[in-house]
Amino acid sequence: DTAVSQTPKYLVTQMGNDKSIKCEQNLGHDTMYWYKQDSKKFLKIMFSYNNKELIINETVPNRFSPKSPDKAHLNLHINSLELGDSAVYFCASARSWRGETQYFGPGTRLLVL
Amino acid sequence: TQLLEQSPQFLSIQEGENLTVYCNSSSVFSSLQWYRQEPGEGPVLLVTVVTGGEVKKLKRLTFQFGDARKDSSLHITAAQPGDTGLYLCAQTQGAQKLVFGQGTRLTINP
Repeated sequence: DTAVSQTPKYLVTQMGNDKSIKCEQNLGHDTMYWYKQDSKKFLKIMFSYNNKELIINETVPNRFSPKSPDKAHLNLHINSLELGDSAVYFCASARSWRGETQYFGPGTRLLVL
Repeated sequence: TQLLEQSPQFLSIQEGENLTVYCNSSSVFSSLQWYRQEPGEGPVLLVTVVTGGEVKKLKRLTFQFGDARKDSSLHITAAQPGDTGLYLCAQTQGAQKLVFGQGTRLTINP
């Protein structure tokens, strides 16, 4: 059983398009995260939700809008995609926001042409 | 924001050799986590170290936390091709978010 799953695994799209990536966790965790890993493998947090409420928003362009319909799901919608958005996006979950172990999904590889 | 520096950035060695990678900061860590990320996958937690001077072992991997809690090392004995991956150290900041180092990309050649 996959603990943290993401769809799609690969996403190739044109500049200017709008796209969404989805994340689901079946661990019963309260906290979920979105990270971006760039071409140099640097992994940086973007957003965090705890029980459907946004608790971390790290200086991310407002073209990126996360949504948590329930605590098992955290989606990421990106408007007006730019070349620099090309990266691997990882979802993660944790039992709580208090520095607990984070479990990562397999990543979504986004390529903007 | 505290920066974590990992060294070396790249390391390629032969199967059976030993190696050590490092994670350093100018400030004190409250705790430190080591993750391994295999190609095409997300990072997986290997260990958390909390106490200065702490040593933890995970089979052939030995993790050490510096006495002053400003540095950590990961030593692998008799490396195997299955150890290949990106090794990331991370620190919890403000009890809410993980801040990662830039990673060490390790390749073990058969």
